[in-house]
Amino acid sequence: SQKIEQNSEALNIQEGKTATLTCNYTNYSPAYLQWYRQDPGRGPVFLLLIRENEKEKRKERLKVTFDTTLKQSLFHITASQPADSATYLCAPPNQAGTALIFGKGTTLSVSS
Amino acid sequence: GAGVSQSPSNKVTEKGKDVELRCDPISGHTALYWYRQRLGQGLEFLIYFQGNSAPDKSGLPSDRFSAERTGESVSTLTIQRTQQEDSAVYLCASSLDGQGLDGYTFGSGTRLTVV
Repeated sequence: SQKIEQNSEALNIQEGKTATLTCNYTNYSPAYLQWYRQDPGRGPVFLLLIRENEKEKRKERLKVTFDTTLKQSLFHITASQPADSATYLCAPPNQAGTALIFGKGTTLSVSS
Repeated sequence: GAGVSQSPSNKVTEKGKDVELRCDPISGHTALYWYRQRLGQGLEFLIYFQGNSAPDKSGLPSDRFSAERTGESVSTLTIQRTQQEDSAVYLCASSLDGQGLDGYTFGSGTRLTVV
């Protein structure tokens, strides 16, 4: 069955540094992958979508890469700020294409 | 509406009772999804509705769980004979179409506690 793994449950970095979060998937090849941000007590918020034929996608301080050979997506936040502290979720579609399957997320803490 | 609205925001129920959770999607969004998030865990897919097509119920954990959607509007998720393991946040999301390529918009969820 499809499996989504996000490299670590928690990541602590200092303000101004670049945060890099990893998402690995196994047993299938999704046509795209989405990234979401979730704050405590709230539903996830959509950030970016990257397709399998796109190597990289950028949005302001966010950058996402998609390596179909490694079966991996990297999510970068440059010049990180304390306000970036949240849980970040990786979400490719299921094999049927009917819904997203979510990783457990990586909780990022940015200290000032 | 401006966003996805879920009600109630919190629900405490006794074991064995039935509960009904409601979701109002964004107007014009044809696809609607229910997910469950247990404490400290990731989101588990429950069910997907797309227009008038038959729903994808493959994520429903047992026959105690059911959901309905009328056309492209409100959806209700019903849990019968609730058990303690049903305690979780139930999240609803909608998207413009069934592909979800513009991303999902989630509600804030219903926190269900079964005592």
